[in-house]
Amino acid sequence: KAGVTQTPRYLIKTRGQQVTLSCSPISGHRSVSWYQQTPGQGLQFLFEYFSETQRNKGNFPGRFSGRQFSNSRSEMNVSTLELGDSALYLCASSLATMRTDTQYFGPGTRLTVL
Amino acid sequence: DQQVKQNSPSLSVQEGRISILNCDYTNSMFDYFLWYKKYPAEGPTFLISISSIKDKNEDGRFTVFLNKSAKHLSLHIVPSQPGDSAVYFCAARGDFGNEKLTFGTGTRLTIIP
Repeated sequence: KAGVTQTPRYLIKTRGQQVTLSCSPISGHRSVSWYQQTPGQGLQFLFEYFSETQRNKGNFPGRFSGRQFSNSRSEMNVSTLELGDSALYLCASSLATMRTDTQYFGPGTRLTVL
Repeated sequence: DQQVKQNSPSLSVQEGRISILNCDYTNSMFDYFLWYKKYPAEGPTFLISISSIKDKNEDGRFTVFLNKSAKHLSLHIVPSQPGDSAVYFCAARGDFGNEKLTFGTGTRLTIIP
């Protein structure tokens, strides 16, 4: 069974631009979560989607948004990029709920904001 | 406010010896704890977990201990192998309304052959 895939793997943007990252979960998984990883901060939870609805949300500004499609694929959008948004963005999928099901992570998208 | 803390950024252990990775948490609402391992250029991989109703869980060479009164958990790897060299993240989650995973900042484990 194919794992979680994320595209693109690397991205360079400039301040003020916007970016969209994509995540395809493991087949049959309906929950998709997004995390930001920065040096010294570990992984910080952005949001979780299930059945095209945002179910949980972390403490990030409104510039960070996401959505999920009917096939469970998810996108994350960051508008008006700031230098501090440079990070590894990780997507994780689970069967139904991140509360009881193991999360499987993709390799991440490395975003660099110049 | 770092609710899950891994105070050792790095740890070096001789091959064959025991590796002990530590994690502290502050939120008493956390009731489930996990360890993830991460290799460079890959996403974190689930390793082992423990519920707050237990104080120990074993899976092969990996054992996780939970001390609820001290709000402390540890991961023991015995014996340590070169392939164990990776960054280890501790994570915690709570009940409904607090389901999101809260991660520590990670500990880089290096196994010396």
